[in-house]
Amino acid sequence: SQQGEEDPQALSIQEGENATMNCSYKTSINNLQWYRQNSGRGLVHLILIRSNEREKHSGRLRVTLDTSKKSSSLLITASRAADTASYFCATDARSGTYKYIFGTGTRLKVLA
Amino acid sequence: GAGVSQSPSNKVTEKGKDVELRCDPISGHTALYWYRQSLGQGLEFLIYFQGNSAPDKSGLPSDRFSAERTGGSVSTLTIQRTQQEDSAVYLCASSLDRFTSYNEQFFGPGTRLTVL
Repeated sequence: SQQGEEDPQALSIQEGENATMNCSYKTSINNLQWYRQNSGRGLVHLILIRSNEREKHSGRLRVTLDTSKKSSSLLITASRAADTASYFCATDARSGTYKYIFGTGTRLKVLA
Repeated sequence: GAGVSQSPSNKVTEKGKDVELRCDPISGHTALYWYRQSLGQGLEFLIYFQGNSAPDKSGLPSDRFSAERTGGSVSTLTIQRTQQEDSAVYLCASSLDRFTSYNEQFFGPGTRLTVL
């Protein structure tokens, strides 16, 4: 099964609202990354958080990581229609593999 | 500079034919990944290259799939005797170095493979 699983699978919000997506994973990791995918720009890296970090900010993005619960959340504040996309978390296992495991994604729709 | 490029962007083939997909990573990036994405799904890891060697091929779904990388740059993913279940978007990504602390992956636009 996938290392990373996001929830919710789909989220629809009004422009200006905040959007929160969660990711759970199974094994110890070196870092966790969030990516965005839309039809216009393909897959784009958003933010990386290392296993020894608990929170990270980048513009309107806030990522938290709880290694004890093996979970991460991505918060997008003051959402815009342009944030409409699928969001994926990706993890690399700490040992034994070079894989990056992507979750199944959260489909976010921001309504204008 | 140029990003990751992939060719062809679309490929339609008949069941049983072989196909070859190409990836041109960002110049200087030593790490290269191939993924597969089925409609509405997440990314499935296929193979990882560091330079010309592939230390992790564990994601290749069957022996019909193979990949190589020459000169530490261009990579080709070959699917022999294609099956309908091989239909997907094949994505390539590169990163500066697998072992640097910030190993963001830069993705290409993908090749959409349709097996009839």
